[in-house]
Amino acid sequence: QKEVEQDPGPLSVPEGAIVSLNCTYSNSAFQYFMWYRQYSRKGPELLMYTYSSGNKEDGRFTAQVDKSSKYISLFIRDSQPSDSATYLCAMSAMTGNTPLVFGKGTRLSVIA
Amino acid sequence: EAGVAQSPRYKIIEKRQSVAFWCNPISGHATLYWYQQILGQGPKLLIQFQNNGVVDDSQLPKDRFSAERLKGVDSTLKIQPAKLEDSAVYLCASSLTSGADNEQFFGPGTRLTVL
Repeated sequence: QKEVEQDPGPLSVPEGAIVSLNCTYSNSAFQYFMWYRQYSRKGPELLMYTYSSGNKEDGRFTAQVDKSSKYISLFIRDSQPSDSATYLCAMSAMTGNTPLVFGKGTRLSVIA
Repeated sequence: EAGVAQSPRYKIIEKRQSVAFWCNPISGHATLYWYQQILGQGPKLLIQFQNNGVVDDSQLPKDRFSAERLKGVDSTLKIQPAKLEDSAVYLCASSLTSGADNEQFFGPGTRLTVL
């Protein structure tokens, strides 16, 4: 079993839809959870960052972490064509210089 | 604030040739990372530097890959000799310091094709 599992999609939705992106993980030591957005031919950029469990909201984006189920989600409300990108989940344990472990990424297309 | 710079953006080589990539991190960032992103995969950490010292190179194929950050600023990643399976995007990232709660800023990457 891979440490981080993410459905690669692709996922295609109409403009204005609510998008749900998910990752599961196996390492119970993970405490930091991130979502990165990667446009084609660009490097990833940090979108959302959550420590431990709970929800975090930033504009149209909401990140959820359920540590009991080892499951994290990113919701995008009122999706826009500019949201079309690959979304990567990433996570890390709390201590020391533990590296980020990325999921494969989910490719999202928002159709106008 | 200038971002992470990488060059070249694209490189095509034949197998068994050597290649080098260059990275200039964000000014003042002590920690520098090199990642390999194979098509359809997430980035995988190859090596992490804190200033000019190596923090983690456990996933670096040391028989063919090498990296240095001599003055604690710029870094180069070298592959010698290249194999077909090295075809990937090589991403450089930097952060103010190490630790999971420090945001990593990524460069645009170097896309390597090995024929």
